[in-house]
Amino acid sequence: DTGVSQNPRHKITKRGQNVTFRCDPISEHNRLYWYRQTLGQGPEFLTYFQNEAQLEKSRLLSDRFSAERPKGSFSTLEIQRTEQGDSAMYLCASSFSTATNEKLFFGSGTQLSVL
Amino acid sequence: DAKTTQPPSMDCAEGRAANLPCNHSTISGNEYVYWYRQIHSQGPQYIIHGLKNNETNEMASLIITEDRKSSTLILPHATLRDTAVYYCIVVDYGGSQGNLIFGKGTKLSVKP
Repeated sequence: DTGVSQNPRHKITKRGQNVTFRCDPISEHNRLYWYRQTLGQGPEFLTYFQNEAQLEKSRLLSDRFSAERPKGSFSTLEIQRTEQGDSAMYLCASSFSTATNEKLFFGSGTQLSVL
Repeated sequence: DAKTTQPPSMDCAEGRAANLPCNHSTISGNEYVYWYRQIHSQGPQYIIHGLKNNETNEMASLIITEDRKSSTLILPHATLRDTAVYYCIVVDYGGSQGNLIFGKGTKLSVKP
């Protein structure tokens, strides 16, 4: 078990640029989640996948955000035309869900700074 | 919005038990109580969860009141490495998709 891996750990970009983050979940996990966290706040849900299907998106996920999970393996989160308000920690988590129990395993996150 | 209420901060002496309270007065019968913690610069880490009965694992104990309106996470012998933000979350895996809704949590400071 190598854990959830996120790359890059840090990203600095200029306003208006596009950025893409990658998440490699624990291999046997069927669910993958993206969260966003700003300083002093708890993580906020963005979206999640069950295998390759994106099943839910938060209202926080504007049209500039897109996430994919091809073949139900790794996932990417792309932000187009970044804004300063996008600066945050982006967290990925994976789980093997059952009907009554789900433990999420989080990665260490990608810290995005938009200048 | 989070369905739980937690104190914003608590202190605990190293080696003593840390008791972290959580109120969830509107919890429904299908909702579980989950605890996660987040150490600085890391992602949240699962600690423990329960439905009705008290639970214990290698990390902590979870005490849920009989009416299920509140719970307490107990770290029996707190160490400096337990300094973190602790999140209490209620989630219904039978009804909703089970997405975790985090509040602001309790910042626990373990002091020497």
